[in-house]
Amino acid sequence: AQKITQTQPGMFVQEKEAVTLDCTYDTSDPSYGLFWYKQPSSGEMIFLIYQGSYDQQNATEGRYSLNFQKARKSANLVISASQLGDSAMYFCAMREGEERETSGSRLTFGEGTQLTVNP
Amino acid sequence: DTGVSQDPRHKITKRGQNVTFRCDPISEHNRLYWYRQTLGQGPEFLTYFQNEAQLEKSRLLSDRFSAERPKGSFSTLEIQRTEQGDSAMYLCASSWGTEYSPLHFGNGTRLTVT
Repeated sequence: AQKITQTQPGMFVQEKEAVTLDCTYDTSDPSYGLFWYKQPSSGEMIFLIYQGSYDQQNATEGRYSLNFQKARKSANLVISASQLGDSAMYFCAMREGEERETSGSRLTFGEGTQLTVNP
Repeated sequence: DTGVSQDPRHKITKRGQNVTFRCDPISEHNRLYWYRQTLGQGPEFLTYFQNEAQLEKSRLLSDRFSAERPKGSFSTLEIQRTEQGDSAMYLCASSWGTEYSPLHFGNGTRLTVT
């Protein structure tokens, strides 16, 4: 079974509108962390936002927020007020278990969603 | 903080040749990771270092792959006897060991094996 599933290969949004990128995950470990990364065409993976499994509130970072539905095992990324520079590939990733010295923060990534922001 | 630096950015090699990539992590980060990303896929974990110790390796890391981090700072990833299936983007990332420690990635090295 896929650990991380991103069902939207591509998404389109008009500039200044909000967009939601879907992510569902699969783990039996009660402790885990969820991450979203942005990968522009230049190739660098840029960290956007983090949600811990025990966090009571949804994470927010500027225009990014994470809609964490623990019972549904979903961690959707919401980008508000889209900008042309938001056009990129977006990856959801999970760290299973607590971060340990022996395993660090080993991440499992989804296949990504290509977001295109139209002017 | 100059970010994670990888060299070279691109490498084209012929099948059977050896290649070596270098990664310079963020200076205060004690953890270093190598990932591989093929076209249209998310990155896949290859190996992890805590300081100079290589603590975890993926099954993806065949005998032809070796990684080192001799002084706990920069790291090298060597691929011996390259195969066409090794063509991919090789990403290096570093982090500081805490419960909440996002990985900071470099721009990657794109390997093409002809």
